[in-house]
Amino acid sequence: QLRLQESGPGLVKASETLSLACTVSGDSINSSPYHWGWIRQSPGKGLEWIGSLFKSGSTYYNPSLKSRVTMSVDTSKDQFSLELRSVTAADTAIYYCARALYSVSSGLDPWGQGTLVTVSS
Amino acid sequence: DFVMTQSPLSLPVTPGEPASISCRSSQSLLHNNGRNYLDWYLQKPGQSPHLLIYLGSIRASGVPDRFSGSGSGTDFTLKISRVEAEDVGVYYCMQGLQTPSSFGQGTKLEI
Repeated sequence: QLRLQESGPGLVKASETLSLACTVSGDSINSSPYHWGWIRQSPGKGLEWIGSLFKSGSTYYNPSLKSRVTMSVDTSKDQFSLELRSVTAADTAIYYCARALYSVSSGLDPWGQGTLVTVSS
Repeated sequence: DFVMTQSPLSLPVTPGEPASISCRSSQSLLHNNGRNYLDWYLQKPGQSPHLLIYLGSIRASGVPDRFSGSGSGTDFTLKISRVEAEDVGVYYCMQGLQTPSSFGQGTKLEI
């Protein structure tokens, strides 16, 4: 059964970089035909799609975050990662990773359990 | 960007009764392959969202057949034929036709 698990610091200081990893188990990113993505959920903005990537390293970012986001993949570890630079309180959210069943960012299934990241001043 | 608008935002229901949620997109979600790139997700209390319906009307694996999705273009509907207590949570629609994907505000279903 495919499972995704987010990991990373739960507390990040304002102006610093948020770094998260998503570990995939039950499947291999390298042999998978799917895209993999990040979504966040904050009380103020609901669910927000951050971006997606493919095993080749191709990336697709939300324009609202594009200047601060980098996503990467490590197929040898079956992991993909998210970096969000220059964070502010507005980046406080639960961050989820998910597999996209069709196209770049659609049919998100399954989702990880999510990890809460709080930006402190 | 695509703006997704759901209604109602709150939906009190009685077990055994049907329920319906509407989702409207600011632009058509019909791909030139004939599919509508519209998903429905349910986020149960304390859990991450999970996929219910994709491509407008296809139930995801393990989803009970009391859930159905319909619609095309800009107007979509999620229907629950007979609500059960385990169906409580927040329902979201999401468009995947173009990046950035975008979600509706959510509809809270309460028993």
